[in-house]
Amino acid sequence: RKEVEQDPGPFNVPEGATVAFNCTYSNSASQSFFWYRQDCRKEPKLLMSVYSSGNEDGRFTAQLNRASQYISLLIRDSKLSDSATYLCVVSLSGSARQLTFGSGTQLTVLP
Amino acid sequence: SQTIHQWPATLVQPVGSPLSLECTVEGTSNPNLYWYRQAAGRGLQLLFYSVGIGQISSEVPQNLSASRPQDRQFILSSKKLLLSDSGFYLCAWRPGLASNTGELFFGEGSRLTVL
Repeated sequence: RKEVEQDPGPFNVPEGATVAFNCTYSNSASQSFFWYRQDCRKEPKLLMSVYSSGNEDGRFTAQLNRASQYISLLIRDSKLSDSATYLCVVSLSGSARQLTFGSGTQLTVLP
Repeated sequence: SQTIHQWPATLVQPVGSPLSLECTVEGTSNPNLYWYRQAAGRGLQLLFYSVGIGQISSEVPQNLSASRPQDRQFILSSKKLLLSDSGFYLCAWRPGLASNTGELFFGEGSRLTVL
C-alpha cells in the first residue's frame, strides 16, 4: 500500500463548479498535513496546511479525519486558474525525512 | 527573504554521460536540503536529504549521488546517466533546527532528458 494515495483524475469540471479531492495516508503516526499545488512543468508550491479542526482559505477548504486517515480538499466556485495538479503531503514531525507526497490529482477547469 | 536557485533548467544528455545539478539557497542558514525526482505523471520521489554540511542521507539506491560542500549548496551528480534517470529534478529547502512545519520551498526544477 502506498504511503499516500490520491485519485489521479483527471477531474474536468466547468467553471463555477465545486470539486473535492480525497487523499488517504497509511502511517497513523503522521502529524502534519498539507495540500500543494503544481502547475504544469513547474515546481510544487504550498496551497494550504490542513488542521485537525478543518480550515478554510477563501474558496478552498481542507479537512482532516485522523480516525479514517484521510484528508480532503474542497474547491468552491472553480476558476480557470485553478487548473493544476494538487498534491497531498503528509509529514512525520521531528524527522528530516518528513514529507511524503502523493502522486497528485489533476484538475482542469473548463470555460 | 529566502530564495532558492537551481540550475540548469533544462538539459539533454546522452546515456553514460555525467551529470551535475546545482542548488543554492539564500537568506537562511543551516537549512534542511532535499533532492526530489518526479517522473512523468508520477509523484515526487525523495532522492537525498541533508541536515548539514557533508551530511547526506540517501533514500533510494541508484547511480546518483549528492554532496553538500557548503551550508547552502546542494549538488546532485552522476558519473554515468541511465535512460531511467530522465525526469524532473527538484531541489527544496525547509528550516532546519526546531522547525515542526512541513512546508518545503522548491527550486524551479531541472528537466533532464537522457537519450
